[in-house]
Amino acid sequence: GENVEQHPSTLSVQEGDSAVIKCTYSDSASNYFPWYKQELGKGPQLIIDIRSNVGEKKDQRIAVTLNKTAKHFSLHITETQPEDSAVYFCAASMSAAGNTGKLIFGQGTTLQVKP
Amino acid sequence: NAGVTQTPKFQVLKTGQSMTLQCAQDMNHNSMYWYRQDPGMGLRLIYYSASEGTTDKGEVPNGYNVSRLNKREFSLRLESAAPSQTSVYFCASRVAEATDTQYFGPGTRLTVL
Repeated sequence: GENVEQHPSTLSVQEGDSAVIKCTYSDSASNYFPWYKQELGKGPQLIIDIRSNVGEKKDQRIAVTLNKTAKHFSLHITETQPEDSAVYFCAASMSAAGNTGKLIFGQGTTLQVKP
Repeated sequence: NAGVTQTPKFQVLKTGQSMTLQCAQDMNHNSMYWYRQDPGMGLRLIYYSASEGTTDKGEVPNGYNVSRLNKREFSLRLESAAPSQTSVYFCASRVAEATDTQYFGPGTRLTVL
């Protein structure tokens, strides 16, 4: 089955710097890759996602890149702010009509943005 | 819309006790999921219900049962709780056909002594 590895487990940056979190997946059939942000005491919330027919997607200060050949994808946060401090999870899934939507998650990255 | 709601927020059980975690969504979503979150292990799928009337095992189903009561509600039952089931449990839902996005509830923190 699918396996997702996420690195680093913790990341500390200065406010204004960029942060990069990387994930690799094992199943070449996976074609949907969401990123979730989890604030303390809350459930994960989708912040951006990408499908395998796209190499990069951007939404304001966050972007995700996907390398299908190497089976890895990354989350990039630019101009980090203290409110970006949270735990970030990557995930992989097979997206297709009638699919089950099962997500396989990475282990999570705790991002700390220092003011 | 309340989105995905879970009850209770916190629970302490003794080994061998049983309990049911409740989940409800008001977004008319077809699919619902139960995950557990443990430190350093991300979220792992316990059970899911792709549509009303169906349930299937995920990655870590042992020790759990589920019921898709209706389209809105999906409950998770621990018949005989064990300390290894100490975790934070999240319910999620998804429209299914239109999008892959899963929406998560606030979680239930369960401690088994």
